[in-house]
Amino acid sequence: EDQVTQSPEALRLQEGESSSLNCSYTVSGLRGLFWYRQDPGKGPEFLFTLYSAGEEKEKERLKATLTKKESFLHITAPKPEDSATYLCAVQRGAQKLVFGQGTRLTINP
Amino acid sequence: DGGITQSPKYLFRKEGQNVTLSCEQNLNHDAMYWYRQDPGQGLRLIYYSQIVNDFQKGDIAEGYSVSREKKESFPLTVTSAQKNPTAFYLCASSTWTGVRNTEAFFGQGTRLTVV
Repeated sequence: EDQVTQSPEALRLQEGESSSLNCSYTVSGLRGLFWYRQDPGKGPEFLFTLYSAGEEKEKERLKATLTKKESFLHITAPKPEDSATYLCAVQRGAQKLVFGQGTRLTINP
Repeated sequence: DGGITQSPKYLFRKEGQNVTLSCEQNLNHDAMYWYRQDPGQGLRLIYYSQIVNDFQKGDIAEGYSVSREKKESFPLTVTSAQKNPTAFYLCASSTWTGVRNTEAFFGQGTRLTVV
């Protein structure tokens, strides 16, 4: 069965304290891995797509990497406005996304 | 501005009632999706549609129905058969490049509460 597991469930950091979020997956025929940011009461906002092992993408303080079994979202010198829930999803088959349960990130000033 | 519009933002349903959630997109995307999100959980797929007049059940389709009469629109009906409908509902769309799917874009969600 296809599964996506994110860890940790929640992470609290001080402003400027770098860390990483993990997304482990088991899926047959991976068509893409997606990272989203979700603020409370809002829809997810797209961040990155990764398609093959070894691929990396960067945007401001965020960097996403992909291996054959997991993806990491690295956050460098975070700011309070980076506080959100970060969702990982994998695409299997025809246009279906399987989501992890998310990591709730809090950055304290 | 291109995007996905969901309405209403908040919806209250009485026991035994059917309610319909609206989703409209002007991104010219072929595929549209409905997800359900419960507190502290990830998104679960209810239904998806790849082309007009065609749709498939997702992982939790029981108690829900959809239609896709126009490319831009993908309404979701929560029927009285859905025993626990209180949740945050998200609509999304994406398109096929011929090689792979683009990322899915999401609406701002509808929060449904049973009263």
